[in-house]
Amino acid sequence: DSGVTQTPKHLITATGQRVTLRCSPRSGDLSVYWYQQSLDQGLQFLIQYYNGEERAKGNILERFSAQQFPDLHSELNLSSLELGDSALYFCASSVEMSGRARNEQFFGPGTRLTVL
Amino acid sequence: AQTVTQSQPEMSVQEAETVTLSCTYDTSESDYYLFWYKQPPSRQMILVIRQEAYKQQNATENRFSVNFQKAAKSFSLKISDSQLGDAAMYFCAYRRGIRSNAGGTSYGKLTFGQGTILTVHP
Repeated sequence: DSGVTQTPKHLITATGQRVTLRCSPRSGDLSVYWYQQSLDQGLQFLIQYYNGEERAKGNILERFSAQQFPDLHSELNLSSLELGDSALYFCASSVEMSGRARNEQFFGPGTRLTVL
Repeated sequence: AQTVTQSQPEMSVQEAETVTLSCTYDTSESDYYLFWYKQPPSRQMILVIRQEAYKQQNATENRFSVNFQKAAKSFSLKISDSQLGDAAMYFCAYRRGIRSNAGGTSYGKLTFGQGTILTVHP
């Protein structure tokens, strides 16, 4: 158990709908990363938040957005869903403190999204 | 931009034998880290081993070791005494370091290779 929790585990929805994926980082971790794993795109970075602020954006669609709350949990919002958005969405957290050379990322179990 | 390439979509090994998974990467940065992650059928991402680029010594973790060739930008994973539980998808990943010459504040994101499916035969 990595200490990172994600809910729900599975989500089945229809095209055009909107869903919210939730992530709780490990205790003490300030940084949250979201990744998408799909058959055609592989594993790719979507967005990073650090202590409530957006720090970096990757290949995240405009239909997708995220936020990190004061208690450090994060939510990834996916709207106007398309069939191609079906994927496994991972959240990872890390301490991300200056001087901590390791800064290992711990992954949650993922949320499997199926868009029908 | 950094790229990570795993040229072996699938590999297989007999139980108790040794197998090596290949990974190459491309970067112009001076400070970075390399990782191997294991993804078993449960889909959980599990860190297997890490290598700091500034360290010349190859990292080892029990039966797992790496061959880090910085000049060649190669980072292979060797699994010794393979076990049935080693069967999984393996991902090579790259991350910028804090002291990277590229600047900026975002150094944490991981860039992954395409993955290698490892099958272990009893």
